[in-house]
Amino acid sequence: ETGVTQSPTHLIKTRGQQVTLRCSSQSGHNTVSWYQQALGQGPQFIFQYYREEENGRGNFPPRFSGLQFPNYSSELNVNALELDDSALYLCASSPTGTSFTDTQYFGPGTRLTVL
Amino acid sequence: DQQVKQNSPSLSVQEGRISILNCDYTNSMFDYFLWYKKYPAEGPTFLISISSIKDKNEDGRFTVFLNKSAKHLSLHIVPSQPGDSAVYFCAASARNNNDMRFGAGTRLTVKP
Repeated sequence: ETGVTQSPTHLIKTRGQQVTLRCSSQSGHNTVSWYQQALGQGPQFIFQYYREEENGRGNFPPRFSGLQFPNYSSELNVNALELDDSALYLCASSPTGTSFTDTQYFGPGTRLTVL
Repeated sequence: DQQVKQNSPSLSVQEGRISILNCDYTNSMFDYFLWYKKYPAEGPTFLISISSIKDKNEDGRFTVFLNKSAKHLSLHIVPSQPGDSAVYFCAASARNNNDMRFGAGTRLTVKP
């Protein structure tokens, strides 16, 4: 059983650009959640996908969007990057349901720097 | 809005002693609580959880206590080991609201 992987590890973008971050969930995990972790803070929930449909969203603007694919991979897209978007972005997959009582397995994250 | 707070950014304990990490929450709708551990350059890993219908859950050296009236939970690690040195995050969710809130984390250092 492979773990959750994310790519790239690090990324540098400039303000106004667009970025796509990728996540590969554990095989068989139908639910993926994305989090933003700013320096010195805990992860903040961005949104969750279940069977390729958005299933919940935190307090993030529409320029944060996502996709989930049938092969257990997913993407986080951020448009019109702002300096405050600089953070570690984590994805987490869980095996079955959409409740957060289901154990989530986190990837190592992508560190995004916006200049 | 910080609905989950970990007021101690760091904690240092001696190997073999007890580590107590604290977490407070403000949202009375939270009914499920979790602790995650994070090593550098790795994602958080699930440690232990507790439902609001319980006040204690134990798993080996790790015990989580929940005080609903005080909106407070704590994680006890006994005995502490150097390998426990990591950042610990407290998290909370509400069953009818698809969201999870994390605290800012407490960095635990266990000295040999």
